[in-house]
Amino acid sequence: AAGVIQSPRHLIKEKRETATLKCYPIPRHDTVYWYQQGPGQDPQFLISFYEKMQSDKGSIPDRFSAQQFSDYHSELNMSSLELGDSALYFCASSHKQRDEQFFGPGTRLTVL
Amino acid sequence: GQQLNQSPQSMFIQEGEDVSMNCTSSSIFNTWLWYKQDPGEGPVLLIALYKAGELTSNGRLTAQFGITRKDSFLNISASIPSDVGIYFCAGPMNYGGSQGNLIFGKGTKLSVKP
Repeated sequence: AAGVIQSPRHLIKEKRETATLKCYPIPRHDTVYWYQQGPGQDPQFLISFYEKMQSDKGSIPDRFSAQQFSDYHSELNMSSLELGDSALYFCASSHKQRDEQFFGPGTRLTVL
Repeated sequence: GQQLNQSPQSMFIQEGEDVSMNCTSSSIFNTWLWYKQDPGEGPVLLIALYKAGELTSNGRLTAQFGITRKDSFLNISASIPSDVGIYFCAGPMNYGGSQGNLIFGKGTKLSVKP
């Protein structure tokens, strides 16, 4: 069965640079969630989209923005990167905001 | 805000042993989810629970949705080496108009006994 696809899998950036993370949900899933997971931590919700509209916002810094496109894929844009942004970033998808969320393999962002 | 308290924080298993972990909250959840995460990988959904009192199995895994809707447990029977990893309980936030984004417990790390 098709799973959530995330790219890139690994990303290394310098401080103050920008980064774009991409997420392709499971086919026919219309809801996308972004989570951030620091080392040894549990995933923390950042932002979500349902049918291409932002549906909820968590602890996402103002330096980050995201959107969901007409094909339901989503991109997380991160600007003015800080050392503390180094983390695993996961995208999850569900169908019609159902509680069962399926996670992608993640993007490991390292900010130097 | 809503919080999930997961225990134990870590445990060591020997092949063939049964394992049990649980999650509690001070607030009610309408859904309980259990995920397993391997290092550097995304959480994988193991079991979803939707009704108070529900007992659901997935192979050697069994999970229950507490009657009060404030707790859940996960059991693994006859553990094998590939059960090693971090197990998270999770539930959708249900206040302030939130739309299902999950909050997670702190995780239970399963390791092999030396």
